[in-house]
Amino acid sequence: NAGVTQTPKFQVLKTGQSMTLQCAQDMNHNSMYWYRQDPGMGLRLIYYSASEGTTDKGEVPNGYNVSRLNKREFSLRLESAAPSQTSVYFCASSAGQGANGYTFGSGTRLTVV
Amino acid sequence: DQQVKQNSPSLSVQEGRISILNCDYTNSMFDYFLWYKKYPAEGPTFLISISSIKDKNEDGRFTVFLNKSAKHLSLHIVPSQPGDSAVYFCAASLSGNTPLVFGKGTRLSVIA
Repeated sequence: NAGVTQTPKFQVLKTGQSMTLQCAQDMNHNSMYWYRQDPGMGLRLIYYSASEGTTDKGEVPNGYNVSRLNKREFSLRLESAAPSQTSVYFCASSAGQGANGYTFGSGTRLTVV
Repeated sequence: DQQVKQNSPSLSVQEGRISILNCDYTNSMFDYFLWYKKYPAEGPTFLISISSIKDKNEDGRFTVFLNKSAKHLSLHIVPSQPGDSAVYFCAASLSGNTPLVFGKGTRLSVIA
């Protein structure tokens, strides 16, 4: 039972490069989320998808785009990476929103140089 | 404007003693609260939750207390074990219809 799978686990990008972080869940969850974790800042929501076909901005959406490809997959794209996007990125899913516990992936550590 | 606040970045406790992690929130509309635990190089994992209609929820060594009038909740771990050493995040939800809002986390170190 894989839960939430994120790829890649590590990535180094040069400023201005683009990349897509992949996330897939096998729990038939409706909602999916992308958070970033920075030292001293906790977990901040980038984008979320309450259900297949919908996406919404979170607290820190600038510089990112997302795609809810199907019920299982929710990708995060950096079109032109900046050093300020150096972070650990977590994808999560839940059966609904809020009151339902989230299942998190193991994270992608991204460094932009 | 941070809606969920964990004002203690770190806490050290001796093995066997009680660990108390605190969390304050500003939005009185929050109605569900959760605690997550995170080990290095892993994603956060759900630990325990409490609805705003309750003031206490217990699960084994873990108890969460909610004081709605003070907009404060706390996580008690008794007895603390070295394996409890991790970062603990407090999170809150608005009527189950919005994504969770997380605090900045508290790093707990349980010393043997």
